[in-house]
Amino acid sequence: DAGVIQSPRHEVTEMGQEVTLRCKPISGHDYLFWYRQTMMRGLELLIYFNNNVPIDDSGMPEDRFSAKMPNASFSTLKIQPSEPRDSAVYFCASSWGYEQYFGPGTRLTVT
Amino acid sequence: DQQVKQNSPSLSVQEGRISILNCDYTNSMFDYFLWYKKYPAEGPTFLISISSIKDKNEDGRFTVFLNKSAKHLSLHIVPSQPGDSAVYFCAAAPSGTYKYIFGTGTRLKVLA
Repeated sequence: DAGVIQSPRHEVTEMGQEVTLRCKPISGHDYLFWYRQTMMRGLELLIYFNNNVPIDDSGMPEDRFSAKMPNASFSTLKIQPSEPRDSAVYFCASSWGYEQYFGPGTRLTVT
Repeated sequence: DQQVKQNSPSLSVQEGRISILNCDYTNSMFDYFLWYKKYPAEGPTFLISISSIKDKNEDGRFTVFLNKSAKHLSLHIVPSQPGDSAVYFCAAAPSGTYKYIFGTGTRLKVLA
């Protein structure tokens, strides 16, 4: 298996633009997680899905953030409009149990 | 309020010696704990886990110890190797959820 796939790996955008991050989980995994890593706050859970259904989105910082999982093999995290404080590394992870497998991350820079 | 704390931001150990990484938590509802290793520009990689019904779990060179009364867990790496140099995160989740809270990480450097 190729592992968790995230795209793009790097994204640079201007403040106010819409940003969409993509994730393909490991086949057979029924949980999908979105995390954000910053120097100030470390690695924090934004939202997670089970069988494509959002279970807990209490970590989503604002209404500007939204996540979807239209099917078992694809998820998106959208930021609209983006702000400089959204600059971070965003990780997607998937699992079928407690042990999560992370993707390589998307480094987002909002100028 | 940081529920999972890794109070040592960095640790240096000689090759072949034991590395001990520590993690403290405050939430008594946490019942499953994980350790991850992270190299630069990569996602975290799962290392080892432990549930609250155990006090020790071993996998090769890696052993995790859990002291529930002290709300403390530790990761032992024996013997340490230069390839173990990375940032190590502990994470904890309450019973019945996958809502993991991560510590801030400890950067381990194993000196050859």
